[in-house]
Amino acid sequence: EAGVVQSPRYKIIEKKQPVAFWCNPISGHNTLYWYRQNLGQGPELLIRYENEEAVDDSQLPKDRFSAERLKGVDSTLKIQPAELGDSAVYLCASSSLGGREGLEQFFGPGTRLTVL
Amino acid sequence: AQTVTQSQPEMSVQEAETVTLSCTYDTSENNYYLFWYKQPPSRQMILVIRQEAYKQQNATENRFSVNFQKAAKSFSLKISDSQLGDTAMYFCAFMKHAGSGSEKLVFGKGTKLTVNP
Repeated sequence: EAGVVQSPRYKIIEKKQPVAFWCNPISGHNTLYWYRQNLGQGPELLIRYENEEAVDDSQLPKDRFSAERLKGVDSTLKIQPAELGDSAVYLCASSSLGGREGLEQFFGPGTRLTVL
Repeated sequence: AQTVTQSQPEMSVQEAETVTLSCTYDTSENNYYLFWYKQPPSRQMILVIRQEAYKQQNATENRFSVNFQKAAKSFSLKISDSQLGDTAMYFCAFMKHAGSGSEKLVFGKGTKLTVNP
């Protein structure tokens, strides 16, 4: 079974440029998460989707970040414009919805963003 | 808000020996879950073990076991018979209970474990 797929794996951009990250969750997983992991820190949630609905986006900096999950499958996270402080690893995770199965989140390999 | 604290930024252990990683947390919730995740240098986060707060029995997964002290809000990970492949960052994480079983993970800062040959 394929795991969570993310692309690109690495991205280097100049500040003020836009950037987008893509995530394909495990087939059948209703819940999708975007986390940001700063250097030397644990991941922090940016946004959580249940199917197409963003149910927790309280930590998403909405002035420059946006996300979408069309048809409740793939998701895209966008930053426009990027700032130096956005340099981090962006992790996507997915889980099934319901009961104990929903407790385990499966993570993708992440996208390492460097803003120059 | 919940917080998770890992007080050991780095640890090392000799191959085949036992090591314990510490984690404390703060929450006002009564029902929740605790996890240890492993992040090898390749970066993909993998679940190691989980504990339901309502269960008194400590979870065990092969060489990995936890010491869960609910009153003390402590959740340590013991790795027995350490192997070179255990070298990784280890993150302790908290999830509050929700009916759907789907909630965000709150992570600590991690402990970098090195297993030496």
